[in-house]
Amino acid sequence: QQPVQSPQAVILREGEDAVINCSSSKALYSVHWYRQKHGEAPVFLMILLKGGEQKGHEKISASFNEKKQQSSLYLTASQLSYSGTYFCGTEVSPGDSWGKLQFGAGTQVVVTP
Amino acid sequence: EAGVAQSPRYKIIEKRQSVAFWCNPISGHATLYWYQQILGQGPKLLIQFQNNGVVDDSQLPKDRFSAERLKGVDSTLKIQPAKLEDSAVYLCASSRDVTYEQYFGPGTRLTVT
Repeated sequence: QQPVQSPQAVILREGEDAVINCSSSKALYSVHWYRQKHGEAPVFLMILLKGGEQKGHEKISASFNEKKQQSSLYLTASQLSYSGTYFCGTEVSPGDSWGKLQFGAGTQVVVTP
Repeated sequence: EAGVAQSPRYKIIEKRQSVAFWCNPISGHATLYWYQQILGQGPKLLIQFQNNGVVDDSQLPKDRFSAERLKGVDSTLKIQPAKLEDSAVYLCASSRDVTYEQYFGPGTRLTVT
């Protein structure tokens, strides 16, 4: 089942912060985050495994709350280059679905000068 | 390291015609994925290969879509006959193995008229 992302869109000024949430109704094994710019392929940002691990990529970090089956992506001190659509891809507990990701509908981020 | 290659980049066909897409994954990547991305939505997994075997094709419309991965390297995705609702970007991705990050190719934008 497709994870739910919120908000659908966010507009930021350079230097501002934002949080994007990704929620699932199923028990998750991992959450993958990708950023896609208009007309381009999705680019990998980070993977989080169950256990509440937090990771970072430049000034972008993420957390995984196993109890809530939710992951949050934090954009800190946003830069113009952060503009794009952010997708979370969720992998349910492994078994016959190793590596199979269900992607959310995406969160469009626009960073303005 | 060369990225995932896809061709063609764009294709326009009439409904009921057939079309084929080609993907060359990153060298050494065992897992290959085909996704369909409709405008404004997240990627939807169509089929997943591990080496040259199919791991998951539960969301592949098998009455019209087919895919193969010869010798565990290149892959082709075919649609025959195409319908209007097949208009989308078809993304190929590869990963070292299942549960690793996925690297996406530039995609093929298909328009069915």
